Amino acid sequence: GAVVSQHPSRVICKSGTSVKIECRSLDFQATTMFWYRQFPKKSLMLMATSNEGSKATYEQGVEKDKFLINHASLTLSTLTVTSAHPEDSSFYICSAPGTSGSTDTQYFGPGTRLTVL
Amino acid sequence: GENVEQHPSTLSVQEGDSAVIKCTYSDSASNYFPWYKQELGKGPQLIIDIRSNVGEKKDQRIAVTLNKTAKHFSLHITETQPEDSAVYFCAASPFSGGYNKLIFGAGTRLAVHP
Repeated sequence: GAVVSQHPSRVICKSGTSVKIECRSLDFQATTMFWYRQFPKKSLMLMATSNEGSKATYEQGVEKDKFLINHASLTLSTLTVTSAHPEDSSFYICSAPGTSGSTDTQYFGPGTRLTVL
Repeated sequence: GENVEQHPSTLSVQEGDSAVIKCTYSDSASNYFPWYKQELGKGPQLIIDIRSNVGEKKDQRIAVTLNKTAKHFSLHITETQPEDSAVYFCAASPFSGGYNKLIFGAGTRLAVHP
């Protein structure tokens, strides 16, 4: 099946530092991946669409200079939270469209819990 | 843009009973409606989906219905089991060409009591 992995699963960092989160499609290629943010007991909010070989598309209200996205290959997208602050603490989840022939079906990674002290 | 509303926010049932979760969407151009199950600390898992050219789809104990005219769709779980306890999210995909993004409902926390 379509498996998406994320690394790390948990990260704790000090305020002001930058954190990189990786999203990989393990058994398929993904020219597009999506990054979501989820606060405790809340829904998933789409942050940006990551496009292989081109710039990411950010949703309204998401700071592109704060959340840097790089989609360097067909199996890897990275999200870097720059100059992290406590309010950036959240559960970050990526997804990628599967290979069932449909462009709709999305498979999610296990998520990365970021805690900024 | 697309807006998805989901009800109820919490649902408690006895093992063996049925559970129904309802969602409405605003964008009539949306054409894909998946349902995800999320367990604590994990990413969402796709459990069933339906496209706008289909009115109903079933997979064992899970079924989804879609009413395009009313712009609502529902998840039905029959013969619930304790392992069905989780948060369930509906989503709608507004057509934008290429790979379509998902707009999620607020989620329903389902508790199945033995």
